[in-house]
Amino acid sequence: DAKTTQPNSMESNEEEPVHLPCNHSTISGTDYIHWYRQLPSQGPEYVIHGLTSNVNNRMASLAIAEDRKSSTLILHRATLRDAAVYYCILLSYNFNKFYFGSGTKLNVKP
Amino acid sequence: DTEVTQTPKHLVMGMTNKKSLKCEQHMGHRAMYWYKQKAKKPPELMFVYSYEKLSINESVPSRFSPECPNSSLLNLHLHALQPEDSALYLCASSLPGQGSPYEQYFGPGTRLTVT
Repeated sequence: DAKTTQPNSMESNEEEPVHLPCNHSTISGTDYIHWYRQLPSQGPEYVIHGLTSNVNNRMASLAIAEDRKSSTLILHRATLRDAAVYYCILLSYNFNKFYFGSGTKLNVKP
Repeated sequence: DTEVTQTPKHLVMGMTNKKSLKCEQHMGHRAMYWYKQKAKKPPELMFVYSYEKLSINESVPSRFSPECPNSSLLNLHLHALQPEDSALYLCASSLPGQGSPYEQYFGPGTRLTVT
């Protein structure tokens, strides 16, 4: 199964952009890249996903490297409510499985 | 309605008890999931149901028994659990089918303590 590697923790100042990296060097051509976040005492929450092209939605942007071996989740203006653990996940086309990586704990300073 | 509900929120049970966790969604999703999450760890997939049929069992011990009685409901029956089974149990649902790229919607979880 394809695996993801993320930094254990990152820190950001409020209202500044945050770039959360993820390495997935063993990704296959049909794996989707998903990002979820988990706020304290809550279930994970979908953030964004993509396959090959960069994606934007109301929460964030996803930048995918041309070789697809890495991706970056971009929060354009971090708020205190964005403090959470962010998981980068690969979803195999052949199996409806989610394997969560260890995640990045984002701390946002006021 | 984009909500996945789980009951109970908290459960304490002895090792000889039988209990059940319940999960419900009314989004028309035909894939439903059970995850187990230990403290400060990522969620681990346990079971996947697709169109009310068990499609994936991640080698979970038989003391955990899933059931999907209809397209909106998912149960997890618990029997003879061990203290190490204490964890947060998360339910999720998504649009149907294997290979679906669609996002999963998670419930808030049931915090289980086995004494």
